[in-house]
Amino acid sequence: AAGVIQSPRHLIKEKRETATLKCYPIPRHDTVYWYQQGPGQDPQFLISFYEKMQSDKGSIPDRFSAQQFSDYHSELNMSSLELGDSALYFCASSLGARLGSGGATDTQYFGPGTRLTVL
Amino acid sequence: AQSVTQLGSHVSVSEGALVLLRCNYSSSVPPYLFWYVQYPNQGLQLLLKYTTGATLVKGINGFEAEFKKSETSFHLTKPSAHMSDAAEYFCAVSSGGYNKLIFGAGTRLAVHP
Repeated sequence: AAGVIQSPRHLIKEKRETATLKCYPIPRHDTVYWYQQGPGQDPQFLISFYEKMQSDKGSIPDRFSAQQFSDYHSELNMSSLELGDSALYFCASSLGARLGSGGATDTQYFGPGTRLTVL
Repeated sequence: AQSVTQLGSHVSVSEGALVLLRCNYSSSVPPYLFWYVQYPNQGLQLLLKYTTGATLVKGINGFEAEFKKSETSFHLTKPSAHMSDAAEYFCAVSSGGYNKLIFGAGTRLAVHP
């Protein structure tokens, strides 16, 4: 079965540079979530999109922005990178709830992650 | 607000022994509960989930968990540990739909011969 695809898998940047992480959800999934996992830490929610609209926002720095496109893929843009941004960035997708559809799965499926290293 | 507490950041068991990983949650709405496993340098893989219905849920690789509302717990168990079970395990809670997951701090399971 098709899974969540993230690219790139590894990324090395210098301080103050920018980075773009991409996420391709499971086919037919309309909801995308971004999480950040620092070394030895649990994943922390950053932001999510449902049907191309931002649905929730967590502890995402103002230097970061994200969007979901018409084909449901999502991109996380990170600017003015700092050493503390070094982490594993996960994307997850799910089939979101639609009023009256009863089709929500409530289950998020995670991609393999992008490991960002800021030097 | 929702939160998850995983008791024991490290658990060590012998191969063939019972695995018990503890998870307690706090939620002001009916919780949706999940266990994910993470192998080194890999993503999160869903082990099992509880949304509604039967409180004992079975997952992959022989794991199961029981939702106990009175104890606000969702402990993960496996009758007999295998070396391949060594990994980091995360308990998570959400309020369902397309809502975010709140993770516990994780429990690293070591399995020794």
